[in-house]
Amino acid sequence: DQQVKQNSPSLSVQEGRISILNCDYTNSMFDYFLWYKKYPAEGPTFLISISSIKDKNEDGRFTVFLNKSAKHLSLHIVPSQPGDSAVYFCAPTNFGNEKLTFGTGTRLTIIP
Amino acid sequence: NAGVTQTPKFQVLKTGQSMTLQCAQDMNHEYMSWYRQDPGMGLRLIHYSVGAGITDQGEVPNGYNVSRSTTEDFPLRLLSAAPSQTSVYFCASRPTGAGPNQPQHFGDGTRLSIL
Repeated sequence: DQQVKQNSPSLSVQEGRISILNCDYTNSMFDYFLWYKKYPAEGPTFLISISSIKDKNEDGRFTVFLNKSAKHLSLHIVPSQPGDSAVYFCAPTNFGNEKLTFGTGTRLTIIP
Repeated sequence: NAGVTQTPKFQVLKTGQSMTLQCAQDMNHEYMSWYRQDPGMGLRLIHYSVGAGITDQGEVPNGYNVSRSTTEDFPLRLLSAAPSQTSVYFCASRPTGAGPNQPQHFGDGTRLSIL
């Protein structure tokens, strides 16, 4: 029972273009959504989050969009840079619940 | 700042052996957790703790034990290693009660192979 799916295991994008990473979830109780970035041989690091009361949150080159009715969120990176090459995980949760449910991850490769 | 420190970084075990994966944090975080990462599966929660003396099971707890005698340390014990426990293990911590906008801090992982 995969509650959180990232249907693209990998994505390649030219440097300077937009990267769009998608995440779908089934549990309507999720009300807070986080994105983590992971480099090889390192632990995941927090990137950006969004609350269910919003539909968009921006932080520099990173923007997360939430469509609650479709149970879908996406992470936009623009412009993409070589240092963005990593695996990205979406991780929905509930406010007040300490547990995270991680998606399967998308490996993003930025082509110089 | 050391953050979350996991030891060892790599370990090879034989089926049936036991071992303890160590996790320590120096941020005085109440909440600590253990995840395993397998190909195509994302990270799955094994056990977690909301403070010293309090632990609970996550999504995949079978074959693992934990204890939390201090705020700083949260060791994960494999009682009798099985090949299905070959994985990369991550420990994480965060303050409790701060809401999910206080994200978890992860260690760099322990890569465990069971032969």
